[in-house]
Amino acid sequence: NAGVMQNPRHLVRRRGQEARLRCSPMKGHSHVYWYRQLPEEGLKFMVYLQKENIIDESGMPKERFSAEFPKEGPSILRIQQVVRGDSAAYFCASSLGSGTGTYEQYFGPGTRLTVT
Amino acid sequence: AQSVTQLDSQVPVFEEAPVELRCNYSSSVSVYLFWYVQYPNQGLQLLLKYLSGSTLVKGINGFEAEFNKSQTSFHLRKPSVHISDTAEYFCAVSPGGATNKLIFGTGTLLAVQP
Repeated sequence: NAGVMQNPRHLVRRRGQEARLRCSPMKGHSHVYWYRQLPEEGLKFMVYLQKENIIDESGMPKERFSAEFPKEGPSILRIQQVVRGDSAAYFCASSLGSGTGTYEQYFGPGTRLTVT
Repeated sequence: AQSVTQLDSQVPVFEEAPVELRCNYSSSVSVYLFWYVQYPNQGLQLLLKYLSGSTLVKGINGFEAEFNKSQTSFHLRKPSVHISDTAEYFCAVSPGGATNKLIFGTGTLLAVQP
């Protein structure tokens, strides 16, 4: 059973360009989380999605960032007009369910975004 | 709001020595507690979790952690470390509820030396 897949693993963008990060959850998982890890810091929650629904986006920057998890296909984290401060590792996690802390989140290998 | 503090950014230790990685949390409600390990250029792997019940939790790779509610701590221990344990270790809390999002500490680098 394949784990959580993320692509690309490394992404280089120039300031002002758009970055698209993809996440394919584990088979059977319909819950996806996105986290950002800045250099020398821990992971910070960004957004939690279920199929076709954004459940919690309390960690998303108000501008330039958006996320979706369509009925078919991977979850996409989109960053428009990237700036140097967006350089970070972006991790996706998936789970079978949510609530009560009983559903383990399985993490992908991450996408390392570098903005030049 | 919940938060997690990992006071030690790095912990150097010799192979086969015991180790303790400290984690303290703050929360006004019941939380669920986790330890994750991150090897270089990889994603996070769950070591162990505390949801309820026994305060001593055993995980993979010989690690264990003890939940102490009065001290709001969840320290990770291993009686004898190996070179292969060298990695970044993250403590996390989750308030549960509808989202089950994880709130992470800043991580502790465990550096095992021969």
